[in-house]
Amino acid sequence: QQQVKQSPQSLIVQKGGISIINCAYENTAFDYFPWYQQFPGKGPALLIAIRPDVSEKKEGRFTISFNKSAKQFSLHIMDSQPGDSATYFCAASEGDDKIIFGKGTRLHILP
Amino acid sequence: DGGITQSPKYLFRKEGQNVTLSCEQNLNHDAMYWYRQDPGQGLRLIYYSQIVNDFQKGDIAEGYSVSREKKESFPLTVTSAQKNPTAFYLCASSNRFGNQPQHFGDGTRLSIL
Repeated sequence: QQQVKQSPQSLIVQKGGISIINCAYENTAFDYFPWYQQFPGKGPALLIAIRPDVSEKKEGRFTISFNKSAKQFSLHIMDSQPGDSATYFCAASEGDDKIIFGKGTRLHILP
Repeated sequence: DGGITQSPKYLFRKEGQNVTLSCEQNLNHDAMYWYRQDPGQGLRLIYYSQIVNDFQKGDIAEGYSVSREKKESFPLTVTSAQKNPTAFYLCASSNRFGNQPQHFGDGTRLSIL
């Protein structure tokens, strides 16, 4: 119940295309859903986060879509650029409990 | 600039040796964390501390130890009891424990000689 399942493991997208990464969870008490971006040799950095009271949040080219009934949330990267090539982690947490991370998606944008 | 500093960036350990990884933050955060990252495994929580002089085991604490004597420092010791220590270790902090943004350091890569 504490798992966050992330897919796909790896993704290749043409420059200018849309990158989509999906995550699913079981614990309906989760109330915080962040996405982290990690470049090789660096630590993850918070990219964007959403709370379950909204269905979508957009920051620049990055959008989180949240489907509470399906217990799924996804990251969309519009107009994907080679600089977006990185590993992306979704995560979820409940109140004062620890954050649970997905296993990550390695994204490669072809120039 | 506020942030988290991990040192060293690369560390080599001989069999049977204990090694200590450093983590310092100047963000005035109460909570600090240690994660282990292996290829395809995501981030696994080793230990966390919600406040000074207090810490709890995470999901994979065996073979590791920590201390939290100062708010800004949370060192991790990888003991000889950790049978597979080769990994990328990440330290993080957040304003408080729970559903808060975590700020990560740039990691320490530990290898066995």
